[in-house]
Amino acid sequence: DAGVIQSPRHEVTEMGQEVTLRCKPISGHNSLFWYRQTMMRGLELLIYFNNNVPIDDSGMPEDRFSAKMPNASFSTLKIQPSEPRDSAVYFCASSPGPGINSPLHFGNGTRLTVT
Amino acid sequence: AQSVSQHNHHVILSEAASLELGCNYSYGGTVNLFWYVQYPGQHLQLLLKYFSGDPLVKGIKGFEAEFIKSKFSFNLRKPSVQWSDTAEYFCAVAKLRDDKIIFGKGTRLHILP
Repeated sequence: DAGVIQSPRHEVTEMGQEVTLRCKPISGHNSLFWYRQTMMRGLELLIYFNNNVPIDDSGMPEDRFSAKMPNASFSTLKIQPSEPRDSAVYFCASSPGPGINSPLHFGNGTRLTVT
Repeated sequence: AQSVSQHNHHVILSEAASLELGCNYSYGGTVNLFWYVQYPGQHLQLLLKYFSGDPLVKGIKGFEAEFIKSKFSFNLRKPSVQWSDTAEYFCAVAKLRDDKIIFGKGTRLHILP
């Protein structure tokens, strides 16, 4: 089992550019979560999917952020346009069932720097 | 606002010292509780969890946590820490009615060799 795979590991971009973060969950896992980690706010839940359907996106900070899960093995988090305050580590996690009952398996994260 | 609070942002201990990291949550109703650990340069991984039953739960690497419902607390403990326990520790609460997991801001633990 390769675990949750995120790409890229690091992304440096200029303000105003579009950024796309990618995630491949563990095969067979039905739930997928996107978190953002910063020093100030810790780990924030942005959005989560169950069976490819977005269940709760109330944590998505603004319309600049969007997430998709076109199939069970792939999800993207897009920021357009990016801003310096978006700089953070973005984690994807998956679980076999609803996250409340199943421990989350995290990817290694994408460290985003917006200059 | 409902939240998960970890009282200590940064803890420094010597090897063999005892550890207790605090976690309190402010949700009413039924919750599931977790502690995750993030070793330097690695992703978060599960340390232990509480769903029901014995409120004292054992996790990996000698860690344990006690759920005290009346205090809305789920403190993490280890009787004797090792240098390899240097990491960031996150408490997490899953609200069963909301189907959502909320993390605390984390506690950075630094063990002096």
